[in-house]
Amino acid sequence: DVVMTQSPLSLPVTLGQPASISCRSTQSLVHSDGNIYLNWFQQRPGQSPRPLIYKVSNRDSGVPDRFSGSGSGTEFTLRISRVEAEDVGVYYCMQGRHWPLTFGGGTKVEIK
Amino acid sequence: EVQLLESGGGLVQPGGSLRLSCVVSGFTFSNYAMSWVRQAPGKGLEWVSAISGSSATIYYADSVKGRFTISRDNSKNMLYLQMNSLRAEDTAIYYCVKEREGDCRTGVCFDYWGQGTLVTVSA
Repeated sequence: DVVMTQSPLSLPVTLGQPASISCRSTQSLVHSDGNIYLNWFQQRPGQSPRPLIYKVSNRDSGVPDRFSGSGSGTEFTLRISRVEAEDVGVYYCMQGRHWPLTFGGGTKVEIK
Repeated sequence: EVQLLESGGGLVQPGGSLRLSCVVSGFTFSNYAMSWVRQAPGKGLEWVSAISGSSATIYYADSVKGRFTISRDNSKNMLYLQMNSLRAEDTAIYYCVKEREGDCRTGVCFDYWGQGTLVTVSA
Protein backbone atom coordinates (compact mmCIF):
# COMPACT_ATOMS: atom_id res chain seq x y z
CA ASP A 1 0.00 0.00 0.00
CA VAL A 2 1.09 3.59 -0.60
CA VAL A 3 1.98 5.25 2.70
CA MET A 4 1.28 8.98 2.97
CA THR A 5 3.38 10.85 5.53
CA GLN A 6 2.47 14.37 6.59
CA SER A 7 4.55 16.86 8.54
CA PRO A 8 4.35 18.54 10.87
CA LEU A 9 1.74 16.84 13.06
CA SER A 10 0.86 20.17 14.64
CA LEU A 11 1.31 23.66 13.22
CA PRO A 12 0.79 26.71 15.46
CA VAL A 13 0.48 29.78 13.25
CA THR A 14 0.08 33.50 13.86
CA LEU A 15 -2.94 35.09 12.18
CA GLY A 16 -1.96 36.67 8.89
CA GLN A 17 1.21 34.63 8.59
CA PRO A 18 1.87 31.86 6.02
CA ALA A 19 1.69 28.15 6.75
CA SER A 20 3.03 25.15 4.91
CA ILE A 21 2.22 21.43 5.22
CA SER A 22 4.27 18.66 3.64
CA CYS A 23 2.99 15.33 2.33
CA ARG A 24 5.17 12.51 1.02
CA SER A 25 4.15 9.27 -0.66
CA THR A 26 6.08 6.01 -0.80
CA GLN A 27 5.23 5.57 -4.49
CA SER A 28 4.91 7.97 -7.39
CA LEU A 29 1.39 9.35 -7.82
CA VAL A 30 1.92 10.14 -11.50
CA HIS A 31 -0.39 8.36 -13.92
CA SER A 32 0.86 7.43 -17.39
CA ASP A 33 -1.41 10.16 -18.79
CA GLY A 34 0.55 12.75 -16.81
CA ASN A 35 -2.07 13.42 -14.14
CA ILE A 36 -0.93 13.38 -10.52
CA TYR A 37 -3.59 12.23 -8.07
CA LEU A 38 -2.81 14.03 -4.86
CA ASN A 39 -5.71 15.67 -2.99
CA TRP A 40 -5.98 17.87 0.09
CA PHE A 41 -8.89 18.09 2.53
CA GLN A 42 -9.66 20.40 5.43
CA GLN A 43 -11.61 19.20 8.45
CA ARG A 44 -12.78 21.93 10.78
CA PRO A 45 -13.69 20.93 14.34
CA GLY A 46 -16.94 18.98 14.42
CA GLN A 47 -17.38 19.01 10.64
CA SER A 48 -17.03 16.61 7.73
CA PRO A 49 -13.90 16.85 5.60
CA ARG A 50 -14.04 19.53 2.93
CA PRO A 51 -12.21 19.19 -0.39
CA LEU A 52 -9.56 21.89 -0.89
CA ILE A 53 -7.22 20.84 -3.68
CA TYR A 54 -7.32 18.04 -6.25
CA LYS A 55 -4.61 16.80 -8.61
CA VAL A 56 -1.87 18.66 -6.70
CA SER A 57 -2.83 22.24 -7.46
CA ASN A 58 -6.49 22.59 -8.54
CA ARG A 59 -8.64 24.42 -6.02
CA ASP A 60 -12.11 23.01 -5.38
CA SER A 61 -15.13 25.23 -5.82
CA GLY A 62 -15.37 28.01 -3.24
CA VAL A 63 -11.85 27.52 -1.86
CA PRO A 64 -10.11 30.86 -1.21
CA ASP A 65 -7.06 31.60 -3.32
CA ARG A 66 -4.89 31.88 -0.22
CA PHE A 67 -4.77 28.06 -0.43
CA SER A 68 -2.38 26.60 -2.98
CA GLY A 69 -0.90 23.21 -3.70
CA SER A 70 2.32 22.16 -5.39
CA GLY A 71 4.58 19.19 -5.84
CA SER A 72 5.42 16.33 -8.12
CA GLY A 73 6.13 12.62 -7.99
CA THR A 74 6.23 11.83 -4.30
CA GLU A 75 6.56 15.17 -2.51
CA PHE A 76 3.75 17.67 -2.14
CA THR A 77 3.00 20.87 -0.26
CA LEU A 78 -0.13 22.71 0.82
CA ARG A 79 0.40 26.41 1.49
CA ILE A 80 -1.82 28.97 3.15
CA SER A 81 -0.54 32.43 2.22
CA ARG A 82 -2.11 34.27 5.17
CA VAL A 83 -3.79 32.19 7.85
CA GLU A 84 -7.22 33.26 9.01
CA ALA A 85 -9.13 32.14 12.09
CA GLU A 86 -11.48 29.99 9.97
CA ASP A 87 -8.50 27.93 8.74
CA VAL A 88 -8.17 26.17 12.12
CA GLY A 89 -8.62 22.44 11.75
CA VAL A 90 -6.91 19.28 10.55
CA TYR A 91 -5.58 19.00 7.01
CA TYR A 92 -5.24 15.65 5.23
CA CYS A 93 -3.56 14.66 2.00
CA MET A 94 -4.88 11.65 0.08
CA GLN A 95 -3.51 9.73 -2.89
CA GLY A 96 -6.02 8.72 -5.55
CA ARG A 97 -3.56 6.95 -7.89
CA HIS A 98 -3.28 3.47 -6.38
CA TRP A 99 -5.70 1.10 -4.69
CA PRO A 100 -6.27 1.06 -1.80
CA LEU A 101 -6.69 4.81 -1.48
CA THR A 102 -4.68 6.14 1.45
CA PHE A 103 -4.64 9.29 3.57
CA GLY A 104 -1.91 11.05 5.44
CA GLY A 105 -2.16 11.11 9.21
CA GLY A 106 -3.26 14.74 9.31
CA THR A 107 -1.77 18.08 10.33
CA LYS A 108 -3.52 20.13 12.99
CA VAL A 109 -3.40 23.86 12.31
CA GLU A 110 -4.01 26.08 15.30
CA ILE A 111 -3.65 29.77 16.08
CA LYS A 112 -0.78 30.81 18.37
CA GLU B 1 -27.25 21.34 -4.89
CA VAL B 2 -25.42 18.10 -4.23
CA GLN B 3 -26.48 16.38 -1.01
CA LEU B 4 -25.35 13.13 0.59
CA LEU B 5 -27.21 11.90 3.66
CA GLU B 6 -26.06 8.84 5.56
CA SER B 7 -28.15 6.79 7.97
CA GLY B 8 -28.16 3.43 9.68
CA GLY B 9 -25.47 3.93 12.28
CA GLY B 10 -25.88 2.92 15.89
CA LEU B 11 -24.68 0.69 18.70
CA VAL B 12 -24.04 -2.96 17.84
CA GLN B 13 -22.37 -5.81 19.71
CA PRO B 14 -19.12 -7.35 18.49
CA GLY B 15 -19.88 -9.95 15.84
CA GLY B 16 -23.09 -8.18 14.88
CA SER B 17 -24.22 -6.61 11.61
CA LEU B 18 -25.36 -3.22 10.44
CA ARG B 19 -26.32 -1.74 7.08
CA LEU B 20 -25.49 1.85 6.31
CA SER B 21 -27.38 3.80 3.68
CA CYS B 22 -26.63 7.01 1.84
CA VAL B 23 -29.28 8.83 -0.17
CA VAL B 24 -27.97 11.33 -2.70
CA SER B 25 -29.47 14.17 -4.68
CA GLY B 26 -28.40 17.00 -6.95
CA PHE B 27 -26.50 14.95 -9.52
CA THR B 28 -26.96 11.98 -11.85
CA PHE B 29 -26.02 9.26 -9.37
CA SER B 30 -25.40 6.49 -11.90
CA ASN B 31 -22.65 8.53 -13.58
CA TYR B 32 -20.41 8.69 -10.51
CA ALA B 33 -18.31 6.30 -8.51
CA MET B 34 -18.78 6.48 -4.76
CA SER B 35 -16.79 5.57 -1.69
CA TRP B 36 -17.17 5.02 2.03
CA VAL B 37 -14.53 6.61 4.24
CA ARG B 38 -14.43 6.21 8.02
CA GLN B 39 -12.93 8.07 10.95
CA ALA B 40 -12.43 6.46 14.34
CA PRO B 41 -13.02 8.78 17.33
CA GLY B 42 -10.18 11.30 17.52
CA LYS B 43 -8.31 9.62 14.66
CA GLY B 44 -7.60 10.24 10.99
CA LEU B 45 -9.41 9.28 7.81
CA GLU B 46 -9.46 5.73 6.46
CA TRP B 47 -10.85 4.77 3.06
CA VAL B 48 -13.12 1.70 3.33
CA SER B 49 -14.63 0.81 -0.04
CA ALA B 50 -15.45 2.15 -3.50
CA ILE B 51 -17.93 1.24 -6.22
CA SER B 52 -18.15 2.40 -9.82
CA GLY B 53 -21.29 3.97 -11.26
CA SER B 54 -22.42 0.73 -12.86
CA SER B 55 -21.33 -1.42 -9.88
CA ALA B 56 -18.98 -3.27 -12.25
CA THR B 57 -15.86 -2.35 -10.27
CA ILE B 58 -15.59 -2.61 -6.49
CA TYR B 59 -12.63 -2.18 -4.14
CA TYR B 60 -12.20 -2.81 -0.41
CA ALA B 61 -9.61 -1.97 2.19
CA ASP B 62 -7.91 -5.09 3.53
CA SER B 63 -9.24 -4.26 7.00
CA VAL B 64 -12.85 -4.87 5.88
CA LYS B 65 -12.48 -7.32 2.99
CA GLY B 66 -14.70 -10.35 3.46
CA ARG B 67 -16.79 -8.64 6.14
CA PHE B 68 -18.19 -5.53 4.41
CA THR B 69 -20.13 -5.32 1.14
CA ILE B 70 -20.68 -2.12 -0.81
CA SER B 71 -23.61 -1.82 -3.20
CA ARG B 72 -25.79 0.77 -4.86
CA ASP B 73 -29.29 1.12 -6.32
CA ASN B 74 -29.13 3.73 -9.06
CA SER B 75 -32.91 3.71 -9.47
CA LYS B 76 -33.25 4.92 -5.87
CA ASN B 77 -30.14 7.12 -5.69
CA MET B 78 -28.91 4.97 -2.81
CA LEU B 79 -25.49 3.77 -1.71
CA TYR B 80 -25.13 1.00 0.89
CA LEU B 81 -22.54 -0.59 3.12
CA GLN B 82 -23.43 -3.95 4.63
CA MET B 83 -21.17 -4.54 7.62
CA ASN B 84 -20.93 -8.04 9.12
CA SER B 85 -18.76 -9.57 11.84
CA LEU B 86 -18.24 -6.15 13.33
CA ARG B 87 -15.30 -5.54 15.63
CA ALA B 88 -14.51 -2.86 18.19
CA GLU B 89 -11.99 -1.36 15.76
CA ASP B 90 -14.80 -0.71 13.26
CA THR B 91 -16.15 1.96 15.62
CA ALA B 92 -16.10 5.17 13.60
CA ILE B 93 -18.03 7.84 11.79
CA TYR B 94 -18.74 6.53 8.29
CA TYR B 95 -18.87 9.08 5.48
CA CYS B 96 -20.45 8.64 2.08
CA VAL B 97 -18.23 10.35 -0.49
CA LYS B 98 -18.77 11.25 -4.14
CA GLU B 99 -15.96 11.00 -6.67
CA ARG B 100 -15.25 13.85 -9.06
CA GLU B 101 -15.32 12.87 -12.71
CA GLY B 102 -14.31 15.07 -15.62
CA ASP B 103 -10.62 15.71 -15.25
CA CYS B 104 -10.21 12.92 -12.66
CA ARG B 105 -11.06 10.03 -14.99
CA THR B 106 -7.87 8.04 -14.47
CA GLY B 107 -7.64 8.44 -10.70
CA VAL B 108 -9.72 9.38 -7.69
CA CYS B 109 -10.65 12.83 -6.47
CA PHE B 110 -13.45 13.37 -3.96
CA ASP B 111 -15.65 16.43 -4.28
CA TYR B 112 -18.55 15.93 -1.85
CA TRP B 113 -18.82 14.34 1.58
CA GLY B 114 -21.87 13.53 3.65
CA GLN B 115 -22.20 14.50 7.31
CA GLY B 116 -21.46 10.95 8.44
CA THR B 117 -23.17 8.32 10.59
CA LEU B 118 -21.64 6.96 13.79
CA VAL B 119 -21.18 3.23 14.24
CA THR B 120 -20.26 2.03 17.72
CA VAL B 121 -19.27 -1.60 18.23
CA SER B 122 -19.32 -2.46 21.92
CA ALA B 123 -20.65 -5.06 24.29
